[in-house]
Amino acid sequence: QKEVEQDPGPLSVPEGAIVSLNCTYSNSAFQYFMWYRQYSRKGPELLMYTYSSGNKEDGRFTAQVDKSSKYISLFIRDSQPSDSATYLCAMSEEDTGNQFYFGTGTSLTVIP
Amino acid sequence: DTAVSQTPKYLVTQMGNDKSIKCEQNLGHDTMYWYKQDSKKFLKIMFSYNNKELIINETVPNRFSPKSPDKAHLNLHINSLELGDSAVYFCASSQWGRTEAFFGQGTRLTVV
Repeated sequence: QKEVEQDPGPLSVPEGAIVSLNCTYSNSAFQYFMWYRQYSRKGPELLMYTYSSGNKEDGRFTAQVDKSSKYISLFIRDSQPSDSATYLCAMSEEDTGNQFYFGTGTSLTVIP
Repeated sequence: DTAVSQTPKYLVTQMGNDKSIKCEQNLGHDTMYWYKQDSKKFLKIMFSYNNKELIINETVPNRFSPKSPDKAHLNLHINSLELGDSAVYFCASSQWGRTEAFFGQGTRLTVV
């Protein structure tokens, strides 16, 4: 069983929809939670990161962490065709040499 | 100005050959990584170097040998290539203790 589980999708939504992307994990020592966006044939780019539990908002994007349930989410409001990409969650423990554990990614298509 | 650059972008080679992938970062980071992304988009860490010192060495065949001549460079040499080595290899960098990792564009390796 992988340390981080993510629904691979694919997910297809109409433009303007609210998108919810989720990951679950098994390692209770994870403290840092990240979301990366990867366009086709490109490298992942960091979208957001949070430390420990709570919410973080950045424009149309909101990241939520629920450590008690070992569950993290990324919400995208007013989704745009340019949001079409694969979204990868990643996590790391504190003080472990920056070792990141990635989910398998969710492929999202926003239809105009 | 590219932050993390890898060369080559594409690499097609025959089984049994030896090949190298080069990575350079101009972000002033002290930690660099090699990740392998399989056909299902799963990103798995292979190696991590901090200040030219090997920090993370996951279970990777010893045909793979990383080399870090300085903090800004991390190369990956692969001996006796096998069909199963076909994947996209990503170089990344970060500052030690910080969660933001920046990825290169990837090297798509195809072994025939």
